[in-house]
This record gives sequence, structure tokens and C-alpha cells, in this order.
Amino acid sequence: QKEVEQDPGPLSVPEGAIVSLNCTYSNSAFQYFMWYRQYSRKGPELLMYTYSSGNKEDGRFTAQVDKSSKYISLFIRDSQPSDSATYLCAMSTIIQGAQKLVFGQGTRLTINP
Amino acid sequence: GAGVSQSPRYKVAKRGQDVALRCDPISGHVSLFWYQQALGQGPEFLTYFQNEAQLDKSGLPSDRFFAERPEGSVSTLKIQRTQQEDSAVYLCASSLGGTSGLYEQYFGPGTRLTVT
Repeated sequence: QKEVEQDPGPLSVPEGAIVSLNCTYSNSAFQYFMWYRQYSRKGPELLMYTYSSGNKEDGRFTAQVDKSSKYISLFIRDSQPSDSATYLCAMSTIIQGAQKLVFGQGTRLTINP
Repeated sequence: GAGVSQSPRYKVAKRGQDVALRCDPISGHVSLFWYQQALGQGPEFLTYFQNEAQLDKSGLPSDRFFAERPEGSVSTLKIQRTQQEDSAVYLCASSLGGTSGLYEQYFGPGTRLTVT
């Protein structure tokens, strides 16, 4: 079993819909939780960065972390075709002053105009 | 300012050849990471540098893989005697790290390696 599980999709929704993306994990030591967006043939782009449990909002994006359930979510409101990409969750602890990120498989999302 | 840059963007190697992949991190970033991303998968950790010191190389898949960062800035990932299973995108990331308390990692565009 992988440390971080993420449904690879693909997920296809109409423009304007609310999108929910999720990951589960098994390592209770994880303290830092991230969401990256990756367009085709590009590097991952950091979207959201959170520490421990709770919610964080940034524009149309909301990240939620539930450490008791080992479950994290990313919500995208008013989805746009430009949001079509692969979304990767990642998590880590801090060891020797750095984070060794453990990624999910990525969910491929398409927003249809 | 400039982000993380990597070169070459694409590399085709014949099985058995050696390759060298370069990463230029964001200026001033102390920490540098290499990840390997297979098709349809998330990136997997290979190795980590703090300045010129390689502090973790636990993810390197074999002794054919070697990374260095001699002056604490540019890094090179070298793969000797390439095999077909080495075909992947190799991603470099950097973060301010160190004593800054800022650990967010910023990724380069990657080098797509194809071994034929």
C-alpha cells in the first residue's frame, strides 16, 4: 500500500462546477500538506501549502486537512477551462531542515466549456 | 525573478550511454531536490542537498545514479549505463530552506529522458 493514495481519475466536469479532489495517507507523522497543479509537459506548480489540520482559502481554491482521518481535500470553485490539469497532493515532515515530499499519483481534471 | 531551470528539456539516449542532467535553482535557495516522475505517476524523491552537502540520497534507485552540487548552486544528476527503465521525467526543485523556516518547494520544467 502506498503512503499517499489519490484517485487518478480522469475527472471531467462542466465549467462553473465545484470540483473536489482528495487524498488519503497512512503516515501520521506528516505535518505539511500541499497541492500542486501540473500542466502537460510542465513542472508541478505550487497551489496550496498548509501546516497541520484546518482550512486554507486562496481565491477560488480551498484546502482542507483532517489529520484525525488522514484525509486532505482541495476544492475549486467556479471552475474554468484553464483549471484543466493534473492535480498532485503532496505531504511531508521536516527532516534536516527540508521536506522530502511524498506525492499522490495525481488526478487528471478536465473542465469542459 | 527567474524560476528553477533545467537542461536539456529532452534527452534521448541509447541504452548503455551515460547522461548528465543540469538544474539551476532559484538564486539564494539553500535546498535542492531531485525527483523522478514516471508516466502517469506522481514524482518520487531521489536525493536532497543543503548547500553543497548531499544529506539524503535514499531515493536513488541504483549506484548508476549520482548527483552533485559542488558549489552549492547548480546541480547535476548523472546516470551511468542508462537502462530503459530509467526513462522518465527528472524534476528538480529548490526551496529557501536552511534556517529560514520557509520550506515550500518550487519545481523546474523537468528533463524528459527517453532511453532507446
